[in-house]
Amino acid sequence: DTGVSQNPRHKITKRGQNVTFRCDPISEHNRLYWYRQTLGQGPEFLTYFQNEAQLEKSRLLSDRFSAERPKGSFSTLEIQRTEQGDSAMYLCASSLVRGEKLFFGSGTQLSVL
Amino acid sequence: AQTVTQSQPEMSVQEAETVTLSCTYDTSENNYYLFWYKQPPSRQMILVIRQEAYKQQNATENRFSVNFQKAAKSFSLKISDSQLGDTAMYFCAYSNGNTGKLIFGQGTTLQVKP
Repeated sequence: DTGVSQNPRHKITKRGQNVTFRCDPISEHNRLYWYRQTLGQGPEFLTYFQNEAQLEKSRLLSDRFSAERPKGSFSTLEIQRTEQGDSAMYLCASSLVRGEKLFFGSGTQLSVL
Repeated sequence: AQTVTQSQPEMSVQEAETVTLSCTYDTSENNYYLFWYKQPPSRQMILVIRQEAYKQQNATENRFSVNFQKAAKSFSLKISDSQLGDTAMYFCAYSNGNTGKLIFGQGTTLQVKP
């Protein structure tokens, strides 16, 4: 059990550029979640996958955001035409059974200049 | 919609003392789960304790225990014998057990002083 892995750890980009983050959940976990967290605030839910199906998307996930989980394994979160307001920590979490704890990755810190 | 409220933005406690962090939530569900997560400066989210709403017994994990008041929709965390390593931001979170997604409160920053 290597835990939830997220890459990259840090990403600095210029406004208007596209960025993509990757999350590798714990191997047997079929549920995968993306959250966004700004400094001093609690994580905000973005989207949720069960296996390869994206079952829920928050209203926070604008048209510039897209997430995928091909084959129900790793997941990617892409932000197109980044804005300064996108600067945040993006957290990925996974779980096996509903109601059980979520295992979190270390996050990807995005800075949009 | 479910909401989670933590009304204490910051708290401090002397090492070895006891501190209680407050959390209230709002839901119309009957079956759900409540969690306390710790986030140290490394920003890694770490589970502290978990409570199932259908269980009346309060959860306990070593120095950490909760006071779960279902009717009042209150879920406080008590940390006994506080240690310097307990310094972190603490988040209360709710899950309805359907999707498993967590709804977090705003967090309480806890500083343990030597």
